[in-house]
Amino acid sequence: NAGVTQTPKFRILKIGQSMTLQCTQDMNHNYMYWYRQDPGMGLKLIYYSVGAGITDKGEVPNGYNVSRSTTEDFPLRLELAAPSQTSVYFCASSYSREGSGNTIYFGEGSWLTVV
Amino acid sequence: AQSVTQLGSHVSVSEGALVLLRCNYSSSVPPYLFWYVQYPNQGLQLLLKYTTGATLVKGINGFEAEFKKSETSFHLTKPSAHMSDAAEYFCAVSVVRAGGSYIPTFGRGTSLIVHP
Repeated sequence: NAGVTQTPKFRILKIGQSMTLQCTQDMNHNYMYWYRQDPGMGLKLIYYSVGAGITDKGEVPNGYNVSRSTTEDFPLRLELAAPSQTSVYFCASSYSREGSGNTIYFGEGSWLTVV
Repeated sequence: AQSVTQLGSHVSVSEGALVLLRCNYSSSVPPYLFWYVQYPNQGLQLLLKYTTGATLVKGINGFEAEFKKSETSFHLTKPSAHMSDAAEYFCAVSVVRAGGSYIPTFGRGTSLIVHP
């Protein structure tokens, strides 16, 4: 079972470069998320999507963009990379309906360093 | 608005000792509550969750948590720690938002250290 797959696993970017983190899920989940994890800060929500064609900002959206053209894919775009975007990024998905508890399934993470 | 507070960024126990990881939440409506575990260089995986019904919830690997509404708490426990339990643990709360979406909020995490 693939679950949530994100690529690349590791990437080094130079300041000002752009890149896209890819994320795909094969569980037919309606919700997808991007989080960043910094030491001692827990998980911060960057963007989320409740279905194809619908996206919304989370806590820390600045410097990022997303799109959701299909149920399966939710890429995260970094424009003009800055050192503050050095972090571990997690893509996640869930099937959300009232009473289900909305259990989230995470990818294995993408380690991004901006130098 | 919902929020989660995990007391203690690090908890250290001896192998075989009781594990207690504390989580308090703030929510104006009945919450869904979760504990996730993260092993080094991996994503998070679900340990257990509370939706409705029985307030004592049992999860994987011998962990359990009790939802106490009066204390707004959802502490995680395990009677006897094992070396393999060393990991980062995250508490999360999820409530319905305007528009019907459920977006969880995570605590900052507690690192569990297990000594031989």
